[in-house]
Parts: sequence; structure tokens; C-alpha cells
Amino acid sequence: EVQLVESGGGLVQPGGSLRLSCVASGFTFSVCPMHWVRRAPGGGLESVSAINPNGATTYYANSVKGRFTISRDNSRNTLYLQMGSLRLEDMGVFYCAREGTPGTYDLWGQGTPVTVSS
Amino acid sequence: DVVMTQSPLSLSVIPGQPASISCRSSQGLVFSDGNIYLNWFHQRPGQSPRRLIYKVSNRDSGVPDRFSGSGSGFDFTLKISRVEAEDVGVYYCMQASHWPWTFGQGTKVEIK
Repeated sequence: EVQLVESGGGLVQPGGSLRLSCVASGFTFSVCPMHWVRRAPGGGLESVSAINPNGATTYYANSVKGRFTISRDNSRNTLYLQMGSLRLEDMGVFYCAREGTPGTYDLWGQGTPVTVSS
Repeated sequence: DVVMTQSPLSLSVIPGQPASISCRSSQGLVFSDGNIYLNWFHQRPGQSPRRLIYKVSNRDSGVPDRFSGSGSGFDFTLKISRVEAEDVGVYYCMQASHWPWTFGQGTKVEIK
């Protein structure tokens, strides 16, 4: 089955860290650019970060630049998001998404929730 | 960042009636390869977003043909020719021609 399965979300204090993982199956992970997308508690969607197929090129939203790091392990079909210096405004559900063809998300995971609270 | 502005932000539709959602971009969306990477997604409560339309007007496999996308320049539209109960949820436009990719605020569709 073609799917993305995220994990690693949870409750963290402001200033804390969290690492999200996304395991891909059913397709050739190593040829696809991959993304993290956040759904904020109010419902808005935000593209957080992206990585090219070999991991050499990464992109970040200004809101997370310097605090989050995207990476991938193609041998494990796994995408990661290391989140640091977490803020209240980082809360939400984080989705892993596949860019199967240029300029679109054609496959989404089920999401993993992140709560930032003291 | 490119700002995507959707309207209306909510719609209440009688089943069988049409619905239309507008999306306006703050910048042109023609990518260097000549394509316009404008997408439409639908998210039902408790579910992940699902792509409906890509590159302005290309409908995903499995998406009913009552859904159609159109537009050019700065203005784009998603139309539902006859709304059905399963169409409830939030619809988002998203541009992927400029990083960061950006979404509209979402349009909540409910059934009367």
C-alpha cells in the first residue's frame, strides 16, 4: 500500500525539542522530494520545510528557519523533522507530504500532533 | 511570500446546487518551466487533505467530474457543479510556483 506514516509528535514545553519521523512505503521514496506541512489549530495550512531526493537541498519557511532541520534516510525510507526552540505558534498537526510530480502534494500522511505548552 | 486569498470563507449549499470558490494570488504563478502550479485540496474533519486539482485544471483520478478548476494570471476558481453531502469540509487553494508554497485561508463548505 502506498502510504506515509508520521510519528514523534507530542507535548513539549516552550523552548523544547522534538523529532518527527515519516516512514514511506509502496513507492520509490528515494526519487521523491518530500515536505512537512503544518495545520495550525485555527485550520490554516503552512508549508514548513522541503528536501530534494538526495537530501542535498533543503527549504524552510521563514518562521522555522534556524530552528528546524529536515533530513531523510533513503535506506530506511524515512523523512525527519528535527524541531528545536519550540514556540507556542509551532503547535498543530504536522503532515508529511510527497511531491510525486513537480509543484504538488499528491500523497499525505495522517499527521502527528504537536502541542507546545508549559 | 505569495499571499493566496480565498473567497468566500464559508459556503452553505443546498444539495444538487452549484458552488464556486475563488482564489487570488498576490504574484503571478507561472513557473520557470512554463507551468502554473496551482492546486486545490479538500480536507474533511479528522482527515488529511486530499488533492482534487493540480496545475490549475487537472483533476486527480477518482475525483468526481463535478469538480473543475480554471483560471489564469492571478485569479483561479474551483467549481462544484452539483454539491453532494460528501463534499462538506474545507477547501484550500495552494500555489507551488514560489517557495514557500502557500495556501489560501480555506473555505468551509457545509450542506444546508
